[in-house]
Amino acid sequence: QVQLLQSGAEVKEPGASVMVSCKTSGYIFTKYSVTWVRQAPGQGLEWMGYISTYNNNANYAQQFQGRVTMTTDASTSTAYMYLSSLRSDDTAVYYCAREGSRFDKWGQGTLVSVTS
Amino acid sequence: DIQMTQSPSSLSASVGDRVTITCQASQDISFYLNWYQQKPGKAPELLIYDASKLEMGVPSRFSGSGSGTRFTFTISSLQPEDVATYYCQQYENLPRTFGPGTKLDIK
Repeated sequence: QVQLLQSGAEVKEPGASVMVSCKTSGYIFTKYSVTWVRQAPGQGLEWMGYISTYNNNANYAQQFQGRVTMTTDASTSTAYMYLSSLRSDDTAVYYCAREGSRFDKWGQGTLVSVTS
Repeated sequence: DIQMTQSPSSLSASVGDRVTITCQASQDISFYLNWYQQKPGKAPELLIYDASKLEMGVPSRFSGSGSGTRFTFTISSLQPEDVATYYCQQYENLPRTFGPGTKLDIK
């Protein structure tokens, strides 16, 4: 069955960087893009961007431009999201999702806490 | 960017009730709209795609309709396990955008 398994929770200081991984299984990795969505505590869903696993082209939401990088490793069917210059308001649960016009399978989420 | 709004922001209904949530887009998005359910502490789950198509394995009491700028999500007979927050999301254009969510609980 299709699964997306994310890396574990992270605690970071302001100004640091974080990388979240999303290991996929159960389908052909290069047939679907991977989208990243985050959710701050008690808030709604915020789209961060997506990456094509076919050609590694990425598109980022404007508010993350310059701070986020999304990559993939097709040899391990894994997607990565790297966020730099962390601030306290980056504290959130970060989700990866498989995208083929709709986000039909999601990872379990990774809590990133930014605190001094 | 396409802005998505939802109404109501929260509602309380009784088991067996028919529940309707409305989603409005700031511009024409044709049928490029999905609906997700998120239970507390869990990842969102896809319920409806392309405005009205039921995702495989989703109970038939869930349905969606609409096109253009106005969309409706309906639960025909509310069940206790439907307590959740529901989000609409457009994919007509980048960036993908979500509605603010509708929190549903049982009266």
